[in-house]
Amino acid sequence: EVQLLDSGGGLAQPGGSLRLSCAASGFTFSSYAMSWVRQAPGKGLEWVSDISGSGYITYYADSVKGRFTISRDNSKNTVFMQMNSLRVEDTAVYYCAKEVYTQSGYYMDVWGKGTTVTVSS
Amino acid sequence: EIVMTQSPATLSVSPGERATLSCRASQSFSSNLAWYQQKPGQAPRLLIYGASTRATGIPARFSGSGSGTEFTLTISSLQSEDFAVYYCQQYNNWPLTFGGGTKVEIK
Repeated sequence: EVQLLDSGGGLAQPGGSLRLSCAASGFTFSSYAMSWVRQAPGKGLEWVSDISGSGYITYYADSVKGRFTISRDNSKNTVFMQMNSLRVEDTAVYYCAKEVYTQSGYYMDVWGKGTTVTVSS
Repeated sequence: EIVMTQSPATLSVSPGERATLSCRASQSFSSNLAWYQQKPGQAPRLLIYGASTRATGIPARFSGSGSGTEFTLTISSLQSEDFAVYYCQQYNNWPLTFGGGTKVEIK
């Protein structure tokens, strides 16, 4: 069974940092791109970032570019999101998701349960 | 950036009735569109990809259609477990973008 276990959320102060993790199982991890999608309280879904299976190609939403860094360790079947210079507006549930490749882009076929990030002073 | 607009924001439907949800894109593309279902306190679940292909395990009462700028998700006969929020997502271009969601509630 494909499973994603996201963790690392918590309370951070504005300007602070957090590191999210997502442990994957049940599929050949290095063969799939992975993404992070967030959902602010009471709001819709917002794609944040994704990373290719090799880890060499990454994309970011403008709202987090230069502050967040996605990475992966294929030996540990884990994807990470280093979140620096956090802002109040980064408060959200963060979901990791497994992506399926198409010639044009990626959609998310399996999602983690989410980890909550709260940025507040 | 492709902006995705969903309508209506809320749809009130009786169990057993048909529900039609719309998703409009600000730029035209062929079929790189997915639909997700999200229930309160849960992660989203993939329903449809390629605009019209049901994901594994998704009941046949869910169907997707459309291309260009207009896409539709149809639920042929609403079951109690279908009351949820539905999101469309385009994956034709980065950044990947979602619509604002349609909440399907019990009438």
